[in-house]
Amino acid sequence: AQSVTQPDIHITVSEGASLELRCNYSYGATPYLFWYVQSPGQGLQLLLKYFSGDTLVQGIKGFEAEFKRSQSSFNLRKPSVHWSDAAEYFCAAILTGTASKLTFGTGTRLQVTL
Amino acid sequence: EPEVTQTPSHQVTQMGQEVILRCVPISNHLYFYWYRQILGQKVEFLVSFYNNEISEKSEIFDDQFSVERPDGSNFTLKIRSTKLEDSAMYFCASSETGLGYTFGSGTRLTVV
Repeated sequence: AQSVTQPDIHITVSEGASLELRCNYSYGATPYLFWYVQSPGQGLQLLLKYFSGDTLVQGIKGFEAEFKRSQSSFNLRKPSVHWSDAAEYFCAAILTGTASKLTFGTGTRLQVTL
Repeated sequence: EPEVTQTPSHQVTQMGQEVILRCVPISNHLYFYWYRQILGQKVEFLVSFYNNEISEKSEIFDDQFSVERPDGSNFTLKIRSTKLEDSAMYFCASSETGLGYTFGSGTRLTVV
């Protein structure tokens, strides 16, 4: 079955520390991959996306993600976290070649300590 | 920057009542979607809409749900007879190409 897995439900990091949020997918082919952020009570904001090409993609707010086909992963990283980064982060995927639904992971809640 | 607008931001309704959630997609977008997020759970796909018809729907999207694009600008989700378990945040999204969505800020539906 097609799925997106975020193994970490909750992560706490100190402000200024580096961050890596994990995402794995299970599809027959390489999907289109996305990371969204959701602040409390807010909508979903696109951080970055990967369709093809360079496997390291840059996004907004200083985030980047690396696609690794061999590991079926698309992990989100930030070198130095700010307190305002505290939010819920969702990895999502669309099956390649279709104008189709986004399948979301269960999300990772990021807490930032000062 | 163009936005997807959803109204109302919060709606409370009695069980069994009909609700209509409204969305104004980005004007040049051709693909429209509804998703929902039950509190504390992940975001789930409900339905996609293209060329004035449903292109895909999930098992959640049963006969109680319907979508419509009544006037070329609005995109609505109707729930005919709400149940307690319909309480959730409902997100509308639109896309120009079917890849890369813009989401609205959501409508929180509370069924009492």
